[in-house]
Amino acid sequence: GNSVTQMEGPVTLSEEAFLTINCTYTATGYPSLFWYVQYPGEGLQLLLKATKADDKGSNKGFEATYRKETTSFHLEKGSVQVSDSAVYFCALSVYSSASKIIFGSGTRLSIRP
Amino acid sequence: DGGITQSPKYLFRKEGQNVTLSCEQNLNHDAMYWYRQDPGQGLRLIYYSQIVNDFQKGDIAEGYSVSREKKESFPLTVTSAQKNPTAFYLCASSTDRGMNTEAFFGQGTRLTVV
Repeated sequence: GNSVTQMEGPVTLSEEAFLTINCTYTATGYPSLFWYVQYPGEGLQLLLKATKADDKGSNKGFEATYRKETTSFHLEKGSVQVSDSAVYFCALSVYSSASKIIFGSGTRLSIRP
Repeated sequence: DGGITQSPKYLFRKEGQNVTLSCEQNLNHDAMYWYRQDPGQGLRLIYYSQIVNDFQKGDIAEGYSVSREKKESFPLTVTSAQKNPTAFYLCASSTDRGMNTEAFFGQGTRLTVV
């Protein structure tokens, strides 16, 4: 079956530190991969996406590369800000007759000033 | 502006009551989803629908019911059979076409049993 595993949190960093949140997946077929962000008390927002192997998604300084050989989609940012504090979800979708979106368990990120 | 709207934002329910959470989208999306989120937890799929008048159970459908009479609307009823309904409920929609099926989320409904 399809599944997503992401690094457990919480993750606490100082402002301007380098961020990596690991995400690996299992899929039957060719998934599209996503990172979503959830700010406190809100719904999820799409942060970035990649639809095929070696694609790089990027947005707001965040990047993730679709690595088919390692079945990974790690989220990175070179210099985090306090405003990046949120919960980050890795997700995949595989087109099929019963397609649905599968989410990882989420990683809570806190940035210290 | 196109989007997905959930209401109400906060909902209180007495034990033994059924309550219905509203979800409306004007994105012309075929697929709609309901997720439950508990504090510090990820998302768990309750029900999803890929087309009007059809829906499928997700991972935790017991104690919940849905309908999909219109493309724009996918209400979720939390029944008295749901033993622990206090949670944050998120509705989402997607085009469900091809490889680019990102989801768009509402702002959520926080349900509390009193």
